[in-house]
Amino acid sequence: QSALTQPASVSASPGQSITISCGGTSSDIGSHNFVSWYQQHPGKAPKLMIFDVGRRPSGVSGRFSGSKSGNTASLTISGLQSDDEAIYYCISYSSASTLGAFGGGTKVTVL
Amino acid sequence: QLQLQESGAGLVRPSETLSLTCAVSGRSVTSGGYSWGWLRQSPGKGLEFIGYTYHSGSFYNPSLRSRVTMSLDRSKNQFTLQMTSVTAADSAVYFCASLYSSGSYYFDYWGQGSLVTVSS
Repeated sequence: QSALTQPASVSASPGQSITISCGGTSSDIGSHNFVSWYQQHPGKAPKLMIFDVGRRPSGVSGRFSGSKSGNTASLTISGLQSDDEAIYYCISYSSASTLGAFGGGTKVTVL
Repeated sequence: QLQLQESGAGLVRPSETLSLTCAVSGRSVTSGGYSWGWLRQSPGKGLEFIGYTYHSGSFYNPSLRSRVTMSLDRSKNQFTLQMTSVTAADSAVYFCASLYSSGSYYFDYWGQGSLVTVSS
């Protein structure tokens, strides 16, 4: 799998908004609209939050939104809540790897 | 609602073979557009994609390819992972997941995870 670049951590107070970046290349994020985001709480499996850059699965709060510009995708969480404290991973389809490209994860802390 | 459930030995001796099964309910493992993947996560680390299998074949992480085999069991609607010659570095939580890869690319459902420890 190829590697996408995510910040190690992001923090903010309840009610604020945060944006997590996911940096890729022209082989993955830059050329394909197949970026997904996952939320993982400690001891739990990852949960799909966003797919196809900005689409939300049924049941996921509208406070979560995704976007893309060039080779960088972003996940925005608005109205931050304590339950949003988790690790967030980005994954993208990649024409350079049959296994796609994975971010290393960003730990979100709600202050 | 799709459900995936991993099962297998939680303790494996070094140099032996790790075997895990993922039982799928709510979707056929031969459904078009879907592949069935295995990922793992070492303590405090990120996700590592081991590989995936579907009705026409399998694709493995190059770093593990020589030791990994995945297969579908259509009669039981499940899929399996075998990893040979394990070492302590293979100790991790192993997840099975459904990968939608037809005109898109995302893991829509995950199993709860199965902790595998490699130790004598």
